[in-house]
Amino acid sequence: QVQLVQSGAEVKKPGSSVKVSCKASGDTFSSYSFSWVRQAPGQGLDWMGRIIPILSITNYAQKFQGRLTFSADKSTNTAFMELSSLRSEDTAVYYCARWVGYSSAPMDVWGQGTTVTVSS
Amino acid sequence: DIQMTQSPSSLSASVGDRVTITCQASQDISNYLNWYQQKPGKAPKLLIYDASNLETGVPSRFSGSGSGTDFTFTISSLQSEDFAVYYCQQHNDWPSFGPGTKLEIK
Repeated sequence: QVQLVQSGAEVKKPGSSVKVSCKASGDTFSSYSFSWVRQAPGQGLDWMGRIIPILSITNYAQKFQGRLTFSADKSTNTAFMELSSLRSEDTAVYYCARWVGYSSAPMDVWGQGTTVTVSS
Repeated sequence: DIQMTQSPSSLSASVGDRVTITCQASQDISNYLNWYQQKPGKAPKLLIYDASNLETGVPSRFSGSGSGTDFTFTISSLQSEDFAVYYCQQHNDWPSFGPGTKLEIK
């Protein structure tokens, strides 16, 4: 059974960047896409984009274009999400989630979430 | 972008009640509609995929129906562990989520 384990909580200054990791274990990396979803305090779920690691394809939601970068290390089955030019509104829990296949699909396995706090 | 709406936004119910949540898409999404449960401090959990398919290991008291733009999620007999926030999500296009329905104990 695949598990996604994310890196720990981060506290960042406005204007800086944060990089969150999501390590997959228990299954192969090659057949999946990975979505990133964020949730601001007390708010709903907001899809940020996705990466297909085996094809090095990335797609970003319009609102994050230019500030968001996804990457992956196939040798360690780890996906990364980097968000730059952080502002207080980026304070949120960031989740990675798995899609089976390469087109839009249900997110059937989720990481535990990484809390990112942006504060001066 | 496809917009998703849910109703009600919150709901109070008792153990044993039958509960229904509705979700509407801004355009036809066929059956590409999923339902998630989220408990405080936890990641969302997939319950129903493609409108009516029960994810493996999910109790049969959960069910879903609908197609096109209108969808329904039902819990046939509420259990104490079901009090949570429920989200619908479409995957006909790039994903988008409904705003959530908070299910509280009456």
